Amino acid sequence: DAGVTQSPTHLIKTRGQQVTLRCSPKSGHDTVSWYQQALGQGPQFIFQYYEEEERQRGNFPDRFSGHQFPNYSSELNVNALLLGDSALYLCASSLAGQDSNYGYTFGSGTRLTVV
Amino acid sequence: AQSVTQLGSHVSVSEGALVLLRCNYSSSVPPYLFWYVQYPNQGLQLLLKYTSAATLVKGINGFEAEFKKSETSFHLTKPSAHMSDAAEYFCAVSKRGATNKLIFGTGTLLAVQP
Repeated sequence: DAGVTQSPTHLIKTRGQQVTLRCSPKSGHDTVSWYQQALGQGPQFIFQYYEEEERQRGNFPDRFSGHQFPNYSSELNVNALLLGDSALYLCASSLAGQDSNYGYTFGSGTRLTVV
Repeated sequence: AQSVTQLGSHVSVSEGALVLLRCNYSSSVPPYLFWYVQYPNQGLQLLLKYTSAATLVKGINGFEAEFKKSETSFHLTKPSAHMSDAAEYFCAVSKRGATNKLIFGTGTLLAVQP
């Protein structure tokens, strides 16, 4: 049973560019959440997608956007990259309607470096 | 609003010694509490969770945590540290209910000395 798959594992971009990160949820899960983990910090919630719509959003600017596809996979897009966007981006999947005590399944993340 | 405070960004113990990682939370509603572990260049793995059943929660790899409402704490312990326990540990809180977002602390890096 495959867990959460994220691609690519590492990425280097230049300031001002745009980037797309991808996530395939664990089999049976239909909800995808994205977190940003800056170096030395805990993960911070970006947003959550369910039924191809953004359901919850954290305190991130509109430069951060996402998408969920009918097969439940998801993309995170970041426009106009800043040096401060350098971080590990984690995808977590879960099953909608399931109480949050079941927890999330996290992927290994995409390490984004902005130069 | 909910928040988590982890006291001690770095903790070092000797192999075989007690591990104690501290976590205090703030929540206006009864929370769910979690401990996650992160090994280098990997994602987060759930160690254990408190969901309002027993206040002493046992997790994987010999870890356990006790929910103390009066102290708003959820400290993580392990009686005897192993070299393989060296990793970063995150405490997190969420509201009860369907797939609510996790709010993480800043993490504690555990080093285990031989």
